[in-house]
Amino acid sequence: DAGVTQSPTHLIKTRGQQVTLRCSPKSGHDTVSWYQQALGQGPQFIFQYYEEEERQRGNFPDRFSGHQFPNYSSELNVNALLLGDSALYLCASSRGAGQGEYFGPGTRLTVT
Amino acid sequence: GDSVTQMEGPVTLSEEAFLTINCTYTATGYPSLFWYVQYPGEGLQLLLKATKADDKGSNKGFEATYRKETTSFHLEKGSVQVSDSAVYFCALRGTSYDKVIFGPGTSLSVIP
Repeated sequence: DAGVTQSPTHLIKTRGQQVTLRCSPKSGHDTVSWYQQALGQGPQFIFQYYEEEERQRGNFPDRFSGHQFPNYSSELNVNALLLGDSALYLCASSRGAGQGEYFGPGTRLTVT
Repeated sequence: GDSVTQMEGPVTLSEEAFLTINCTYTATGYPSLFWYVQYPGEGLQLLLKATKADDKGSNKGFEATYRKETTSFHLEKGSVQVSDSAVYFCALRGTSYDKVIFGPGTSLSVIP
């Protein structure tokens, strides 16, 4: 049983560009959350998707947007990249509301 | 708002030493509490959890007890191994939402 998978593993972008990160949840999971983890810090909640809709959102600007597909996979889009967006982006999935989350290995984004 | 505070690292211990990583939280209601571990270059793994007061979570020799009177969830292990070297995150999930709030993490290095 595959766990949470994310792609790509690493990504280098230039300031001002746009990026799309992808996540496939653990089998049987229907809820996907995205987190940003800056170097040396704990993960910060970006948003959560359930039934293809954004259910909760953290304190991130509108440059961060997402989508969930009918097969529960999800994308995170970041527009107008800033140097400060450089971080490890983690996807987590769970089954229904209020359940424990399983994390993927993350996508390391570097903005130059 | 809700928050998690952890003891600052890095923590360096000799193999077979006793480990304590302190964690305290601020939250309304009765949150669920978690310890996650992040090994070098990897994503987060759920180490243990407790969902109500006085519950004890345990896994792989690690333990933590949910203490509501002191709003604490300290992580302990009786005898650490070199393979326990990682960053440990204390986290909570509130009763009215599903996102997980993480502490800043505590880096542990175990030397032979």
